[in-house]
Amino acid sequence: NAGVTQTPKFRILKIGQSMTLQCTQDMNHNYMYWYRQDPGMGLKLIYYSVGAGITDKGEVPNGYNVSRSTTEDFPLRLELAAPSQTSVYFCASSYSKGVTDTQYFGPGTRLTVL
Amino acid sequence: QKEVEQNSGPLSVPEGAIASLNCTYSDRGSQSFFWYRQYSGKSPELIMSIYSNGDKEDGRFTAQLNKASQYVSLLIRDSQPSDSATYLCAALWLTGANSKLTFGKGITLSVRP
Repeated sequence: NAGVTQTPKFRILKIGQSMTLQCTQDMNHNYMYWYRQDPGMGLKLIYYSVGAGITDKGEVPNGYNVSRSTTEDFPLRLELAAPSQTSVYFCASSYSKGVTDTQYFGPGTRLTVL
Repeated sequence: QKEVEQNSGPLSVPEGAIASLNCTYSDRGSQSFFWYRQYSGKSPELIMSIYSNGDKEDGRFTAQLNKASQYVSLLIRDSQPSDSATYLCAALWLTGANSKLTFGKGITLSVRP
């Protein structure tokens, strides 16, 4: 099992450019999440999905979009990149919503917008 | 607004000492609590979870939960330099069909050899 994988590891964007951050999990997890982590801060939830075809906003969704066409993949789209989106992005997954369930994190994508 | 607060750091302890990391949460509806360890430049890794009042021990780690005081702590016994990392406290809420984790800002632990 590779667990949760993310690509790319690093990316530099110019203001106004767009890109897609890829996330794939091979654990057959229903729930998937996108977080961002700014320096010295905890993780903030951007979007989440409870299954293929079902997504919902988290705490900081503005400037991002997601889709979930398969159980395995949960890409995050940035349209019109802004310097405020400079951050480290983590994808995570869990099997269910249960109180004992654990979220497993991918290695992260470090994004810089100049 | 559901919030998780952690002691401002950094925390520095000598090798072999007990490190005590604390966390409070705002919503009594929180049902599960997690401690994640994050090494610099790496992703968070779960080290402890706790769901019931009291203590839960796993090797050198003990998580403590007091729901009446809305307080969670992590004790690391016999601290090692390899324990030097940022520790994130998180609380989980069930909301209808969904569950959401809210994270604290983290506290950086440094274990001095």
